[in-house]
Amino acid sequence: DAGITQSPRHKVTETGTPVTLRCHQTENHRYMYWYRQDPGHGLRLIHYSYGVKDTDKGEVSDGYSVSRSKTEDFLLTLESATSSQTSVYFCAISDRDRGDEQYFGPGTRLTVT
Amino acid sequence: AQSVSQHNHHVILSEAASLELGCNYSYGGTVNLFWYVQYPGQHLQLLLKYFSGDPLVKGIKGFEAEFIKSKFSFNLRKPSVQWSDTAEYFCAVRPNRDDKIIFGKGTRLHILP
Repeated sequence: DAGITQSPRHKVTETGTPVTLRCHQTENHRYMYWYRQDPGHGLRLIHYSYGVKDTDKGEVSDGYSVSRSKTEDFLLTLESATSSQTSVYFCAISDRDRGDEQYFGPGTRLTVT
Repeated sequence: AQSVSQHNHHVILSEAASLELGCNYSYGGTVNLFWYVQYPGQHLQLLLKYFSGDPLVKGIKGFEAEFIKSKFSFNLRKPSVQWSDTAEYFCAVRPNRDDKIIFGKGTRLHILP
C-alpha cells in the first residue's frame, strides 16, 4: 500500500464544534484529494490540491475548508460540524507522472451528534 | 455536467458465474478510465486502468475491462467470479484536461458460495 495515513481514524463530535482531519503521505505525490463516502452516493469530492497552497473545490465543498502547507500534509476542516457531515472521509493521492491512479488512505469515520 | 453512470447498483451472483458491470461516462474529450474495488471495511484499491492503446485491458484478480469509445463505455468483466469478489466496485473517469476524477455511485457485488 502507498504511504498514506489519516488521523484520527474515528471521531465523535458534537454539532457546532470545529473538526480537523489530517491526511499525511510519504510518496511525494502532487495531487491530494478529500472525499466523503455515504451509502447510495458513492464517493463525492470535497476539495482537492494540485500543489502546496493550491487547492480547489469539489462537488460538495460547502461547510468544509482545506489547507496544504507542505507536500505531505492535506488538512480538512469542518468549521462547524453538522449531523449531515456524519460520514466516512477518505484521502487520496495521485501523480500523473506515476500512473495517474489514486491511492486511498484507510479512512476516517466521523460521527456528529 | 460530466458524470459517470453505473447501471447496476446491486448484483448477486453464484460462484463461477460470469460478471459484467456496466459503466458509461459523459465527456466528449480524451479520458483516463479506472475501476476500483472496495472490500468490506477497507479503502478503495485499483483494479485496472485504461489510458490509450488496446481497448481491452487486464487487471488484477482476473478482471478485465473493455473501452468502447463510440459508446462512452468501460465495462468490467470477469469470466468466473469467486466468493472473495464480494465487494463494491467503482468506475472512475478523469478527463485529460481536468484535475478532478469523477466516480460512479458504485455497484455492490454479492457472491453466493
